[in-house]
Amino acid sequence: ILNVEQSPQSLHVQEGDSTNFTCSFPSSNFYALHWYRWETAKSPEALFVMTLNGDEKKKGRISATLNTKEGYSYLYIKGSQPEDSATYLCAFGRNTGNQFYFGTGTSLTVIP
Amino acid sequence: SAVISQKPSRDICQRGTSLTIQCQVDSQVTMMFWYRQQPGQSLTLIATANQGSEATYESGFVIDKFPISRPNLTFSTLTVSNMSPEDSSIYLCSVEANNDEQYFGPGTRLTVT
Repeated sequence: ILNVEQSPQSLHVQEGDSTNFTCSFPSSNFYALHWYRWETAKSPEALFVMTLNGDEKKKGRISATLNTKEGYSYLYIKGSQPEDSATYLCAFGRNTGNQFYFGTGTSLTVIP
Repeated sequence: SAVISQKPSRDICQRGTSLTIQCQVDSQVTMMFWYRQQPGQSLTLIATANQGSEATYESGFVIDKFPISRPNLTFSTLTVSNMSPEDSSIYLCSVEANNDEQYFGPGTRLTVT
């Protein structure tokens, strides 16, 4: 069984606060690490695909880093807004097949 | 990116019955996948739906319980058979894009009573 872990499980922050979550994954057979944003009753939305150790990606106020040697990725949200409230999922892709292995997600609530 | 729709969006079913979930994509895709998320658990791949051949099931999932159809490159169905309360989950279909990304449908929320 391949273990992908996310922490924290849930998070409540005030509007304007910055926050970050962690995704840890196996460091062997790494192919790609994906971050998704999933709002209730909507499709999970792809945020980032990261493939290289040391990768840093940014989309607006959201950014992510990747360390494949130690098997972790951080997702950062700067100046959280209520519309950032969602579950953030990471998914690990191995270099042996198409399957994604998902973490259980971090549920973020931004309080106005 | 691909636009994916699923039907139904939610349902409440009695144990012992079956439910078929439909997934429609707005473009032709080679790979379609079916996932489920049980309460408090991670998204787990059930099977890969192959066009023109039988689906490929992951460990712990069998065709008799989750029969899948893939009649063409834009459509697939997943049936949850002989349901029990443990089948209460969100079921999602996804497709693989050219850049190794996967795009997801909005999901089907199933409650089995």
